[in-house]
Amino acid sequence: NAGVTQTPKFQVLKTGQSMTLQCAQDMNHNSMYWYRQDPGMGLRLIYYSASEGTTDKGEVPNGYNVSRLNKREFSLRLESAAPSQTSVYFCASSGELMTGNSGYTFGSGTRLTVV
Amino acid sequence: ILNVEQSPQSLHVQEGDSTNFTCSFPSSNFYALHWYRWETAKSPEALFVMTLNGDEKKKGRISATLNTKEGYSYLYIKGSQPEDSATYLCAASGGSYIPTFGRGTSLIVHP
Repeated sequence: NAGVTQTPKFQVLKTGQSMTLQCAQDMNHNSMYWYRQDPGMGLRLIYYSASEGTTDKGEVPNGYNVSRLNKREFSLRLESAAPSQTSVYFCASSGELMTGNSGYTFGSGTRLTVV
Repeated sequence: ILNVEQSPQSLHVQEGDSTNFTCSFPSSNFYALHWYRWETAKSPEALFVMTLNGDEKKKGRISATLNTKEGYSYLYIKGSQPEDSATYLCAASGGSYIPTFGRGTSLIVHP
């Protein structure tokens, strides 16, 4: 099925460990995004990629890095995980940065716990 | 980063009731307003994207309106059903084109 695929779905890390969250879309979308969702908060943008070869910081980029590997894939890396990074992470994509008609398509989320 | 507010935070209604909720955003430098439906244990699903003042969109029993001059959008659900239970998110974008999300309105429809 066409859409946005995220892996893994669940992960537990120890403080200081590193990991990479993977995201791939098969809708030929140009723009991709990483959000985190915390209780009582809206979805907050971590990083985004307007098009292949570009990445930009969002609202909460500290402690994260991203790579837009190709048009399909956009990964999020935690170099040294901290308990404050315990969250649910969502990848999303859209045809263009200016989503005039269709909005975002979201992945199913990664629930990350840092102990 | 825009200040996007949604009200109410949560809402309980009976099956068959019609309901509506509000999304407020800064009216200056507005570009687009998104509505999403987010069911528990699933990912947000786009309902509507609106850009023009006075826009009205409809999908089945769900409709939305947009007032960019005063900075608000309403989402209406006619004849609520238990399967409408979800969190409804709005997101507004301005000059950067990147939407800022509100905290959502949690709707629970009781049979």
